[in-house]
Amino acid sequence: NAGVTQTPKFQVLKTGQSMTLQCAQDMNHEYMSWYRQDPGMGLRLIHYSVGAGITDQGEVPNGYNVSRSTTEDFPLRLLSAAPSQTSVYFCASSYTGTGTTYEQYFGPGTRLTVT
Amino acid sequence: AQKITQTQPGMFVQEKEAVTLDCTYDTSDPSYGLFWYKQPSSGEMIFLIYQGSYDQQNATEGRYSLNFQKARKSANLVISASQLGDSAMYFCAMRETNNGGATNKLIFGTGTLLAVQP
Repeated sequence: NAGVTQTPKFQVLKTGQSMTLQCAQDMNHEYMSWYRQDPGMGLRLIHYSVGAGITDQGEVPNGYNVSRSTTEDFPLRLLSAAPSQTSVYFCASSYTGTGTTYEQYFGPGTRLTVT
Repeated sequence: AQKITQTQPGMFVQEKEAVTLDCTYDTSDPSYGLFWYKQPSSGEMIFLIYQGSYDQQNATEGRYSLNFQKARKSANLVISASQLGDSAMYFCAMRETNNGGATNKLIFGTGTLLAVQP
């Protein structure tokens, strides 16, 4: 199993550009999510999905779009990049249901810089 | 609102000694789950340990144990016999609940940076 994969690892954008961060998992997890990590603020939830075709907003959704057309993939789109979106982005996945731990498996992260 | 607080921005510990990383949480829901993750300098997030609110015993995983004090709403991580490879950022997180039901959403603390000294 590759687990959770993210591409690219690094990206530099100019203000106003758009791009898509890719996330894929091969563990057949229903739940997938995107977090951003900023210094001194821990990880904050951007968007999440509980299954194909179902997405919802997290704590900091503005400026980002998501879709979930398959169980495996959960891309994050930046519509018009702003310097405030400079951050490290993590994708995570887990099982849903009555599992005891809901352990989330994280991807390696994408470091995004917006100039 | 649910919240996780980690009050130690940084900690030092000597190799082979034990260290406790503090975590307090705030929730009004009787059912919740608490997690600890490790983030080394390479950046990945590594799951360490989980404690459910109804678990009778404190969770343990190898050198990691969770000192769970429900009445004080604290879930401190104890690392025994510290190793140089334990130097990393450590995050406490809580599974968010919604109308009494568990979700998969995690609320993270701001983290504690642990440095293990030889």
